[in-house]
Amino acid sequence: DVKVTQSSRYLVKRTGEKVFLECVQDMDHENMFWYRQDPGLGLRLIYFSYDVKMKEKGDIPEGYSVSREKKERFSLILESASTNQTSMYLCASGAGSSYNSPLHFGNGTRLTVT
Amino acid sequence: AQSVTQLGSHVSVSEGALVLLRCNYSSSVPPYLFWYVQYPNQGLQLLLKYTSAATLVKGINGFEAEFKKSETSFHLTKPSAHMSDAAEYFCAAGKGRGATNKLIFGTGTLLAVQP
Repeated sequence: DVKVTQSSRYLVKRTGEKVFLECVQDMDHENMFWYRQDPGLGLRLIYFSYDVKMKEKGDIPEGYSVSREKKERFSLILESASTNQTSMYLCASGAGSSYNSPLHFGNGTRLTVT
Repeated sequence: AQSVTQLGSHVSVSEGALVLLRCNYSSSVPPYLFWYVQYPNQGLQLLLKYTSAATLVKGINGFEAEFKKSETSFHLTKPSAHMSDAAEYFCAAGKGRGATNKLIFGTGTLLAVQP
């Protein structure tokens, strides 16, 4: 089974802090994604990466950056956390070889910015 | 722009009753369609996917979905609800080869199952 592991289940940070959310997958997937989940809004794509050191903006990239130095690891960075970034963050990975292959999700990181 | 619409943010059924969760997509080309389920405090888990091989798709836990191109719909059904089906369900669409794995999600439907 594919395993996508997010390093933290819960995080509490202060406004202005730099925050790192880490995600690791064990299936050698080319594609990795960061989504944000908010009630009533579903999942919104923040950034995705289709190869090491490659990244593309999703629908809501403002206030975020990403890093993919190794194939298995995809990090989401909040340069200066703000209260409106309080949310559930979901990492996902998928095989790039098949365009209809599903995404595999981690269990999420619930971030609270105070 | 492609979009996915889930009608009804909350659906409540009695245990043993039919479950019907609605999903409509808008696209100029047939998309690749998925249903995911999210149990409390967990990530999303794939229920089923439409791959154009058959319009009726069977998934896990007794769920199935029917692709209807004329109605641009991909509704999720289960003949008899179980208490363990209580969760949030997301419909998602992918664009295909030009955007591998990149999915657009609906806003979700929270299913409650009453005893």
